[in-house]
Amino acid sequence: DVKVTQSSRYLVKRTGEKVFLECVQDMDHENMFWYRQDPGLGLRLIYFSYDVKMKEKGDIPEGYSVSREKKERFSLILESASTNQTSMYLCASSGTATYEQYFGPGTRLTVT
Amino acid sequence: AQRVTQPEKLLSVFKGAPVELKCNYSYSGSPELFWYVQYSRQRLQLLLRHISRESIKGFTADLNKGETSFHLKKPFAQEEDSAMYYCALKGGGYNKLIFGAGTRLAVHP
Repeated sequence: DVKVTQSSRYLVKRTGEKVFLECVQDMDHENMFWYRQDPGLGLRLIYFSYDVKMKEKGDIPEGYSVSREKKERFSLILESASTNQTSMYLCASSGTATYEQYFGPGTRLTVT
Repeated sequence: AQRVTQPEKLLSVFKGAPVELKCNYSYSGSPELFWYVQYSRQRLQLLLRHISRESIKGFTADLNKGETSFHLKKPFAQEEDSAMYYCALKGGGYNKLIFGAGTRLAVHP
């Protein structure tokens, strides 16, 4: 059974803080993704990674960066958190054989 | 441009009524489409994909290339079907998906 875990379910940070969101998958998947989930906007892709140390921008990368030093771990970094980054963040992974993505439980980030 | 449109933010029905969640897509090429579901306090999960042509939890979805649609249907809604439903389209390499804005289905007793 695929397991994708995220480091925190809820996080509260102050404006200007550096924020790290971590995601770990245990299925040896090559591809990993970070999304924002906002009401009325659906899921928007922030960044994705198709291999260790490889990353590509998604649709809304501004204000974010990512790191993938190990295959199972994909980190999302907010260099200087802002209130408009208050959102639910979802991590997902997938193998190369299908387009099915497996999602983590999400991190609800509030920036005050 | 590749796009997924779910025109309804909320669909409210009574138990036992038929349900149709609409999804339209824009894609040049042979589309692959999916429905994902998120129940309350659970993670987002795949419900069904068009290539498998299966029925999951009584839901079916048919790809209509002429109308560029992939509507999700169920003949008799159950209260446990209440959830957020997202339509998704294969969006290029590396298994990227393009998601619609989602439709919240509320099934009332």
